[in-house]
Amino acid sequence: EILLTQSPGTLSLSPGERATLSCRASQTIRITYIAWYQQKPGQAPRLVISGASGRAAGIPDRFSASGSGTDFTLTITRLEPEDFAVYYCQQFVSPPQTFGQGTKVEIK
Amino acid sequence: QVQLQESGPGLVKPSETLSLTCTVSGGSISSYYWHWIRQPPGKRLEWIGYIFNTGRTIFNPSLKSRVTISADTSNNQFSLTLNSVTAADTAVYYCARSESPAAASGHWGQGTLVIVSS
Repeated sequence: EILLTQSPGTLSLSPGERATLSCRASQTIRITYIAWYQQKPGQAPRLVISGASGRAAGIPDRFSASGSGTDFTLTITRLEPEDFAVYYCQQFVSPPQTFGQGTKVEIK
Repeated sequence: QVQLQESGPGLVKPSETLSLTCTVSGGSISSYYWHWIRQPPGKRLEWIGYIFNTGRTIFNPSLKSRVTISADTSNNQFSLTLNSVTAADTAVYYCARSESPAAASGHWGQGTLVIVSS
């Protein structure tokens, strides 16, 4: 099973600032098999970006993903009020699919 | 626009069986991959398994001995059963869809909370 470790646990930022979220895998994965989700309280996760398909429908271009090997990054260039949430990375290179423990992006 | 909706009991007794159904609208379950994913309170998401071709299944090895996923094409639904539940199975359960086994889940249900307690 591939373990995903996200950092930091919490990111305290102000609107307009840049957010950089990290996801480290326990073994090498192609970015094609990495996705990022946004989750707000009481809601289901929402796909933000997939390495294979790019940004999901309705996701603005301030969100981008990068990385290779075992280290992957989700970047939000200028935080908007609606971006404050918990973000999870996911790998689906082979079963079982696994998720990171999440990074909470909170308003400073 | 495909929509997914989970349904089932919100309370299950320890050692009993958890049963949930996901009703799909706006698309046929005969195509794509249909997943169950859960999230214990305050913890990370855990993938349970998926069904495709309305009958073939793949499960998380950690749950494989207790899990069944089945499909009902006449009602466009798929279901999850989890046997011998304990308090550790308390979670919000989500159904979701992906376009292939190696793809992100772009469509999710709203989730349903299942509490295991006597």
